Amino acid sequence: DIQMTQSPASLSASLGETVTIECRASEDIYSNLAWYQQKSGKSPQLLIYAANRLQDGVPSRFSGSGSGTQYSLNISGMQPEDEGVYYCLQGSKYPYTFGAGTKLELK
Amino acid sequence: EIQLQESGPGLVKPSQSLSLTCSVTGYTITSGYDWSWIRKFPGNKMEWMGYISYSGSTNYNPSLKSRISITRDTSKNQFFLQLNSVTTEDTATYYCAKKRRGFDYWGQGVMVTVSS
Repeated sequence: DIQMTQSPASLSASLGETVTIECRASEDIYSNLAWYQQKSGKSPQLLIYAANRLQDGVPSRFSGSGSGTQYSLNISGMQPEDEGVYYCLQGSKYPYTFGAGTKLELK
Repeated sequence: EIQLQESGPGLVKPSQSLSLTCSVTGYTITSGYDWSWIRKFPGNKMEWMGYISYSGSTNYNPSLKSRISITRDTSKNQFFLQLNSVTTEDTATYYCAKKRRGFDYWGQGVMVTVSS
């Protein structure tokens, strides 16, 4: 299975601060990477697919980048509603595998 | 609008089978896409369990070996998860989800506890 190493495990950001979350794959996943946000008590929501494509309806402060084995999610200007747990998911090979998650809190 | 909703028992005894239903509205599951089951364990770990495609083919996570089965009832626009020989390690919140370019629609999730 492809291992997804996600970092950091948790972080605290101030209002308006730029946040970066990273995922490293154990092998090349050819940009087959998605990012999800899960708020407390809710289902995960798709933010980014194909490494850098913004899902319809997702605020433009979210962006994704990367290639090969290294990917990142950026939030340009932390907002209170951005609190939650963020996951990466590789869809290059079965079984699909998730990162361990990053808990993001407002400082 | 596409909606998915899981249903099933919240408590299952060890060694028994876990059976869940995902009811889909707003889209016919035979029209396209893959329809997956995903679970979230206590402590945030997420696991993709498997899918049934619009054509009826299936693909399972090898970690679940021969314990898992995903089937469907096209007349009711539902698909199902059966997980056999459950242990306490199968305690999790179970989600069904539709995959297009990513998992773009999810159910609200159902918490299943395995306990005697």
